[in-house]
Amino acid sequence: DTEVTQTPKHLVMGMTNKKSLKCEQHMGHRAMYWYKQKAKKPPELMFVYSYEKLSINESVPSRFSPECPNSSLLNLHLHALQPEDSALYLCASSHQGPPLAGRFADTQYFGPGTRLTVL
Amino acid sequence: GESVGLHLPTLSVQEGDNSIINCAYSNSASDYFIWYKQESGKGPQFIIDIRSNMDKRQGQRVTVLLNKTVKHLSLQIAATQPGDSAVYFCGLGQGGKLIFGQGTELSVKP
Repeated sequence: DTEVTQTPKHLVMGMTNKKSLKCEQHMGHRAMYWYKQKAKKPPELMFVYSYEKLSINESVPSRFSPECPNSSLLNLHLHALQPEDSALYLCASSHQGPPLAGRFADTQYFGPGTRLTVL
Repeated sequence: GESVGLHLPTLSVQEGDNSIINCAYSNSASDYFIWYKQESGKGPQFIIDIRSNMDKRQGQRVTVLLNKTVKHLSLQIAATQPGDSAVYFCGLGQGGKLIFGQGTELSVKP
């Protein structure tokens, strides 16, 4: 089973709202990722958690706050977003964390995404 | 930084024909390459990957070719079917991250 689940499927929020996106995997993967994808563009990496610790933050604005409560769960807390933050937010997981020197990367498996609209 | 380019943003093929989708990359230090298929309204779906110590890998109806000399990656789909219609992204591993190409939209004509 290579399933990553994400909730909700769709989310509409105002600029003053606080909301959270959730991601879950039960494949025993120890790395989890958040990506942002705009229409007709490739996914852009936001955050990487490896063994429940934040290992990569791609200079994402602080209105996006990731959290990894345990090895199966990944959250993305949203606050004071802007309309330009509207996008598909994708979660992914892989067996291990980002590769150290000399080790190949692991396959990342993506969830279906949350379609976020900020009004 | 790394750049990944696709040769064609769109590709239209007849059902039953073979499809070839290409990617070029600039960083010779990349050691991992992957192809994803993304259907409308869905997340990217893993198709096949290849490591830099190989130049060819086959899956079910798909083949990935890696030419490290010219820094070129391709995905071949045999006997293309209507269900293959999607956007295809190449990705390469660099510094613990996946860098994606811009995507090729494959349309299959019945």
